[in-house]
Amino acid sequence: DAKTTQPNSMESNEEEPVHLPCNHSTISGTDYIHWYRQLPSQGPEYVIHGLTSNVNNRMASLAIAEDRKSSTLILHRATLRDAAVYYCILTPRGSGGSNYKLTFGKGTLLTVNP
Amino acid sequence: GAVVSQHPSRVICKSGTSVKIECRSLDFQATTMFWYRQFPKQSLMLMATSNEGSKATYEQGVEKDKFLINHASLTLSTLTVTSAHPEDSSFYICSARVPETQYFGPGTRLLVL
Repeated sequence: DAKTTQPNSMESNEEEPVHLPCNHSTISGTDYIHWYRQLPSQGPEYVIHGLTSNVNNRMASLAIAEDRKSSTLILHRATLRDAAVYYCILTPRGSGGSNYKLTFGKGTLLTVNP
Repeated sequence: GAVVSQHPSRVICKSGTSVKIECRSLDFQATTMFWYRQFPKQSLMLMATSNEGSKATYEQGVEKDKFLINHASLTLSTLTVTSAHPEDSSFYICSARVPETQYFGPGTRLLVL
């Protein structure tokens, strides 16, 4: 499976933008890039995913490098509720059933300062 | 958005007893659900893949006779921890697959005394 590399931790100030990087140099042409986040004592929460083009939703934006070897999750205005562990995960496109697995690494612990 | 629930949210049991955890997809059908386990300060580890109407697929090192999985309907999967021991104390999380991604339940905290 293609692996991802993320910083162990990052800090941000409230109401400022946050750029969370993820390196995935061994990504294949058919891998989706997923981002999840996990607040303390909760299950992971889906944030966003993409394949090649940049993606935007109400939670965040996903910027994907042209060579797809890296991506950045952008939180436009961090709030205290965004403090969580953020996971960047690759999954093969089109895989079905038991082949569709998410392998969680250690992720990035985001601290948001008031 | 897709909602996944788990019940109970927290359970305390005595060593040697069995505990059943339910995972439900509330507003969609899921032919595939997943069960994860998370120990303190560690990341999620996939335990097994649950497919509706068929046997679950377990990850290497997970005892299938200890962690019984049943996926009897398109909206319900259950995980039964049989003869639980203190080392089984953990945070158990399920997820349900939708096209292109997964949605997770809130987790069940199991404490075995």
